[in-house]
Amino acid sequence: DARVTQTPRHKVTEMGQEVTMRCQPILGHNTVFWYRQTMMQGLELLAYFRNRAPLDDSGMPKDRFSAEMPDATLATLKIQPSEPRDSAVYFCASGHGQGAVEQYFGPGTRLTVT
Amino acid sequence: AQSVTQLDSQVPVFEEAPVELRCNYSSSVSVYLFWYVQYPNQGLQLLLKYLSGSTLVKGINGFEAEFNKSQTSFHLRKPSVHISDTAEYFCAVSEDTGFQKLVFGTGTRLLVSP
Repeated sequence: DARVTQTPRHKVTEMGQEVTMRCQPILGHNTVFWYRQTMMQGLELLAYFRNRAPLDDSGMPKDRFSAEMPDATLATLKIQPSEPRDSAVYFCASGHGQGAVEQYFGPGTRLTVT
Repeated sequence: AQSVTQLDSQVPVFEEAPVELRCNYSSSVSVYLFWYVQYPNQGLQLLLKYLSGSTLVKGINGFEAEFNKSQTSFHLRKPSVHISDTAEYFCAVSEDTGFQKLVFGTGTRLLVSP
């Protein structure tokens, strides 16, 4: 049963600290998405990659967020420095094919910044 | 740019009753449409999708949806709900042009009571 995995599942950190979230897409999927879910904003697309290249990160605060895919089995989302307003659930999703029409979501990382 | 409207933030229903969750979208081009379900503390799971062809789409767990182009709607239905259907349901749209990004609605919480 192929699944997207995310680590850690929960993270509590203090304001100003660096946070790194990791995602392992489903093997063979060539597209990876990062979403953020909050009560106020709902689900927001932060960034996405195809074949490890960033296609769009316009949804991401550039000054503190960065997303990378060092290899086909790992995607990372970093926040440095973290702020309380970054508290949210961060989801990774992966897909395959030209359009990645169907996206498979991971269980999410719940981030709390105090 | 496309957008999705889910007018009902919460829908209470009794077990074994039918339910309809409404979704309307806006787009200037052809679209793909999706319904995702999110159970507490979990990621999103695809319920069903409309890409082309028959406007009535059947998904998992007994759900179905009908694409109505003239009314720009994609309402989700189930003839008889179970307690286990209690969850958050998200409608999403992506444009059928080049690389498709998913835009999500704000979600509808389905509450099934005995």
